[in-house]
Amino acid sequence: KNEVEQSPQNLTAQEGEFITINCSYSVGISALHWLQQHPGGGIVSLFMLSSGKKKHGRLIATINIQEKHSSLHITASHPRDSAVYICAVDRGGSRLTFGEGTQLTVNP
Amino acid sequence: NAGVTQTPKFQVLKTGQSMTLQCAQDMNHEYMSWYRQDPGMGLRLIHYSVGAGITDQGEVPNGYNVSRSTTEDFPLRLLSAAPSQTSVYFCASRGQPNTGELFFGEGSRLTVL
Repeated sequence: KNEVEQSPQNLTAQEGEFITINCSYSVGISALHWLQQHPGGGIVSLFMLSSGKKKHGRLIATINIQEKHSSLHITASHPRDSAVYICAVDRGGSRLTFGEGTQLTVNP
Repeated sequence: NAGVTQTPKFQVLKTGQSMTLQCAQDMNHEYMSWYRQDPGMGLRLIHYSVGAGITDQGEVPNGYNVSRSTTEDFPLRLLSAAPSQTSVYFCASRGQPNTGELFFGEGSRLTVL
């Protein structure tokens, strides 16, 4: 079993829908990252969080340390949100463990 | 501010050839790292560095070599390329080893024939 599991693996939505991507992990962490990888391949950081909730525009990330679970929500989804979303956990010792990613497609 | 610059973007090698993937950052970040991304798998750590003169192995270090002579540069060397090293490689940096936002390069797609 992977130490970081994302669900779903693939997600197709219609423009305007509310989207949730989940990340569960089985190890102790100091922080969790949500990353976005566009079709061109570049990876950008969306959030880094160690507790509670963060919001940036239409994106919201939450984490529950006790349950070892985080969610990334996208409100009012748009085709430009189509990308791979990756969860990664900081395990200390300068090491990150990554999930396999969730491929999101938002249709107009 | 260029961020993290990675070159080349694409490279085709024959088995046994050597090459160096370059990575440079202009943010004065202490932590730099190399990952490979393969289909169906998450990014995997190859090598990392927490400062100039300090490097360490990640999950999949075999066949790769690194050095960190300056804060800015962290090259990844393939000494004798193998088909199993066909992958997309990403360099990343952050201000401190365990804190701060991650900054990634654009990626380098390597094919070994």
